[in-house]
Amino acid sequence: AQSVAQPEDQVNVAEGNPLTVKCTYSVSGNPYLFWYVQYPNRGLQFLLKYITGDNLVKGSYGFEAEFNKSQTSFHLKKPSALVSDSALYFCAVSTARQLTFGSGTQLTVLP
Amino acid sequence: NAGVTQTPKFQVLKTGQSMTLQCAQDMNHEYMSWYRQDPGMGLRLIHYSVGAGITDQGEVPNGYNVSRSTTEDFPLRLLSAAPSQTSVYFCASSFDRANTGELFFGEGSRLTVL
Repeated sequence: AQSVAQPEDQVNVAEGNPLTVKCTYSVSGNPYLFWYVQYPNRGLQFLLKYITGDNLVKGSYGFEAEFNKSQTSFHLKKPSALVSDSALYFCAVSTARQLTFGSGTQLTVLP
Repeated sequence: NAGVTQTPKFQVLKTGQSMTLQCAQDMNHEYMSWYRQDPGMGLRLIHYSVGAGITDQGEVPNGYNVSRSTTEDFPLRLLSAAPSQTSVYFCASSFDRANTGELFFGEGSRLTVL
């Protein structure tokens, strides 16, 4: 069975500082990995995905994620956080037509 | 394009009542799915469909039925609502039948079962 872990329920960072939201996964075979963002009272929005190729994936709104096969991690990063980045972030893994989400990490960027 | 449209946005039911959450997409996507979102548990897959006439169970299918008579619509039925089904429900679709592509989500339907 596939699974995703987001070890931090809450991440706080000051505006302008780099941010990292952590994700580790467990899956048989090669994973398809995703990051989604959810703003209050809205549906999830796609940020980026890793299928194959370069371990550093660039996505929407200046976000990027680093795939590390040996550590089975897919951490979300941004060099300089904005207050508008404050939201709930979900990591997900896809195999066999099912997308499994982590429990989510609430990111708060402080002005 | 409207994208993925869910109705209703809010619903209150009594235990034992039935209802249908509607989901429609206008992007000609083959893959459609239903998730429920509960605090601290992320999103859990209820049912999914890879095309008209084809449905399959996800992680938490008990208490829910689905059908896919057209490419556009994927309704979720609660036959006998229970308080444990109080949740926010999201419909999502993707052009990719293998679900390796981007999922497009609706705005959600908040259901309370008393």
